[in-house]
Amino acid sequence: KNQVEQSPQSLIILEGKNCTLQCNYTVSPFSNLRWYKQDTGRGPVSLTIMTFSENTKSNGRYTATLDADTKQSSLHITASQLSDSASYICVVSDSGGSYIPTFGRGTSLIVHP
Amino acid sequence: DVKVTQSSRYLVKRTGEKVFLECVQDMDHENMFWYRQDPGLGLRLIYFSYDVKMKEKGDIPEGYSVSREKKERFSLILESASTNQTSMYLCASSRSGEGSNQPQHFGDGTRLSIL
Repeated sequence: KNQVEQSPQSLIILEGKNCTLQCNYTVSPFSNLRWYKQDTGRGPVSLTIMTFSENTKSNGRYTATLDADTKQSSLHITASQLSDSASYICVVSDSGGSYIPTFGRGTSLIVHP
Repeated sequence: DVKVTQSSRYLVKRTGEKVFLECVQDMDHENMFWYRQDPGLGLRLIYFSYDVKMKEKGDIPEGYSVSREKKERFSLILESASTNQTSMYLCASSRSGEGSNQPQHFGDGTRLSIL
């Protein structure tokens, strides 16, 4: 069964610090991996998408990495801001023709001033 | 920008009531989804639809049904609401074509409380 595991479950950091969120998956055959950001009281919004051939992609202060061999991804946030406080969800899709991705349970990030 | 609109942000209903949650998307997307989101469990798929009048069960369909009479609208129905259906409900849509590379676009959710 396809699974996506995220760690840590929650994280508290000070404003201006960097942090890294982890995602391990067993989805096969792999198609792509997305990171979503979900602000409190809002729906998730896609931050990045990575396909098999990509191993790094940036979106402003967010940098996602993918190691398709070890089936691991990370999301690195640089110089955190208060607005980064949110839940970050890793979502992996297979290439078997399904439109149904597999969701991780998310990492809750709190940035303190 | 894609907009997915859920009819209510907050809803309070009583046990046994029939509850309708409505979702409308404005980007002519073929695929629509209903999820529930609970603390510590993440998003779980209830039902999805690839086309008008078409529906497929997700991981947790028990106690729910759906309706898709028009392409832009996907309704979730709680036939007889129970307290364990208190949750955040999220609707999403995505485009077909290019397979799973299409992102899902989410509404802002309906927080449903069953008393």
